[in-house]
Amino acid sequence: GAGVSQSPSNKVTEKGKDVELRCDPISGHTALYWYRQSLGQGLEFLIYFQGNSAPDKSGLPSDRFSAERTGGSVSTLTIQRTQQEDSAVYLCASSLGLRSTDNTEAFFGQGTRLTVV
Amino acid sequence: AQSVTQLDSHVSVSEGTPVLLRCNYSSSYSPSLFWYVQHPNKGLQLLLKYTSAATLVKGINGFEAEFKKSETSFHLTKPSAHMSDAAEYFCVVSDRSNDYKLSFGAGTTVTVRA
Repeated sequence: GAGVSQSPSNKVTEKGKDVELRCDPISGHTALYWYRQSLGQGLEFLIYFQGNSAPDKSGLPSDRFSAERTGGSVSTLTIQRTQQEDSAVYLCASSLGLRSTDNTEAFFGQGTRLTVV
Repeated sequence: AQSVTQLDSHVSVSEGTPVLLRCNYSSSYSPSLFWYVQHPNKGLQLLLKYTSAATLVKGINGFEAEFKKSETSFHLTKPSAHMSDAAEYFCVVSDRSNDYKLSFGAGTTVTVRA
């Protein structure tokens, strides 16, 4: 596709259930990010994939959160045993991932709005 | 590691007056710098970016920013605010210190008074 695609756009789940959020980055983009944005708040970094390097997982808030990126393309963010405080918009972004001072911008998807009830 | 500080969490301006959003960065290397905008209930959109070329960068919707290495700043300006400029603005930095990962500032909310 032309842009970063995220699915589902909305997800309502019961507390304690597991959820999977999907991100399809722009073709050819080697860098992929996951962020979380709670209502009225800024962006909270979750995880960063860059090519074949080990992902930077420093932003994952607990061991209930995990993410994979298969084949250097599609990524899935999994939240286990969801809690009400996990309710937020989860944003995915991708970029060419140039390792230089001419680094290119990240392109964002429209996000998945997760509501835990 | 690199970081950015957005000096104002909220800026309020009158329509037709200048807008100034302040951003200071910290980087031990040559950084790339970006400004993003997020309108209410919308996705993030790139306004402009500085990589390694001209220090005065022009972006969309009449915005511009100047990279000042001596001041470690990358302030965003617009000569005349429009009502449509009401949004959240994020300053972003990346450099080689952590594999060019983008680091976002906390954001500045802009309101525009009629």
